[in-house]
Amino acid sequence: RKEVEQDPGPFNVPEGATVAFNCTYSNSASQSFFWYRQDCRKEPKLLMSVYSSGNEDGRFTAQLNRASQYISLLIRDSKLSDSATYLCASGGSYIPTFGRGTSLIVHP
Amino acid sequence: DAGITQSPRYKITETGRQVTLMCHQTWSHSYMFWYRQDLGHGLRLIYYSAAADITDKGEVPDGYVVSRSKTENFPLTLESATRSQTSVYFCASSEGGAGGEAFFGQGTRLTVV
Repeated sequence: RKEVEQDPGPFNVPEGATVAFNCTYSNSASQSFFWYRQDCRKEPKLLMSVYSSGNEDGRFTAQLNRASQYISLLIRDSKLSDSATYLCASGGSYIPTFGRGTSLIVHP
Repeated sequence: DAGITQSPRYKITETGRQVTLMCHQTWSHSYMFWYRQDLGHGLRLIYYSAAADITDKGEVPDGYVVSRSKTENFPLTLESATRSQTSVYFCASSEGGAGGEAFFGQGTRLTVV
């Protein structure tokens, strides 16, 4: 079983929609979690860090549920420019471990 | 400019040749990582380094060699390239610690023919 699991999607949503992704992790000792955004043929870029109870940045909200060992990413008022692959990562033992990514397509 | 840079960006090599991918960071981050990204597998860790002269294997180390004589450089060498090593390679660095967000280079797209 992969340490970090994500639904690959794609999630196909209209502009303005709210969309949520979940990511489960198996290492209960992990202390930190991250969401990255990756555009086609580009490097992953840090979107948000998720510590303790969660984090919010504009239209993006990340939550951590330690009891069920998952993190979530909520995107409100989706824009065309949000179309990308979203990778979650856990930071156990200082080494980021990544999920395979969830593809988001926002259409007009 | 500060950041993390990889070279070359694109490389085509023949089976059996040795090839080295370069990675250089200017943040003085302690940790550096090499990942490969393939369709269906996501990012897989090849090797990582916690400091100069300290390296360790990741999930898929076979066929690769790394070194880290200086904090800022972390080259990855394919000793005898195989077609299965055709991939996109990303170098990343982080400060380490419980936080430890990783920052990525632009990637090297390697094709082994």
